[in-house]
Amino acid sequence: DTGVSQDPRHKITKRGQNVTFRCDPISEHNRLYWYRQTLGQGPEFLTYFQNEAQLEKSRLLSDRFSAERPKGSFSTLEIQRTEQGDSAMYLCASSSFIAGEASYEQYFGPGTRLTVT
Amino acid sequence: GENVEQHPSTLSVQEGDSAVIKCTYSDSASNYFPWYKQELGKGPQLIIDIRSNVGEKKDQRIAVTLNKTAKHFSLHITETQPEDSAVYFCAAKPGGYQKVTFGTGTKLQVIP
Repeated sequence: DTGVSQDPRHKITKRGQNVTFRCDPISEHNRLYWYRQTLGQGPEFLTYFQNEAQLEKSRLLSDRFSAERPKGSFSTLEIQRTEQGDSAMYLCASSSFIAGEASYEQYFGPGTRLTVT
Repeated sequence: GENVEQHPSTLSVQEGDSAVIKCTYSDSASNYFPWYKQELGKGPQLIIDIRSNVGEKKDQRIAVTLNKTAKHFSLHITETQPEDSAVYFCAAKPGGYQKVTFGTGTKLQVIP
């Protein structure tokens, strides 16, 4: 396994369209995270899953955003009715959680760069 | 919520010199402090991390220090090389939560 993968790497869409991104975590990792990064800023947390359960959501995740991880493996992030302000890099990360062990390291994928015109 | 401040925003050093990046955090519940390196067009890469029960950690040319009382932590890179040029982010995570809050980044340029 070579790490977290994301697809597509780039997406250009027109305002008002819906877009969906996919993230495949490191195979043995049961936690998966979504972040958004705008130019010149650090990543901002959006949400995270442990297996298929979505356990934390940021206030940044408006009603137009939805994330799923139906089988506890890959995850999708959908943005409905895109706006120009949604233009950013969407990053996925994964980590391993074993009960009784404190493992915090999050490993990031290459990101999907979204441009809304 | 947690707020992480990072300084400087840009840093230029001569090859072979040391580089130091400093961060402060606001939430005393934070107990995990990772550092990431991000190259152009790539995702952040975890380079070193430190937990609140440790004051210092070193990995080859990279070291991190943590002062819990003052709520600040620093990254030290010795013997810098041109391939160290990138944007570096500090971050903090509170105990019991998975949300990691990042600083605004330091663009490091190592001049050959």
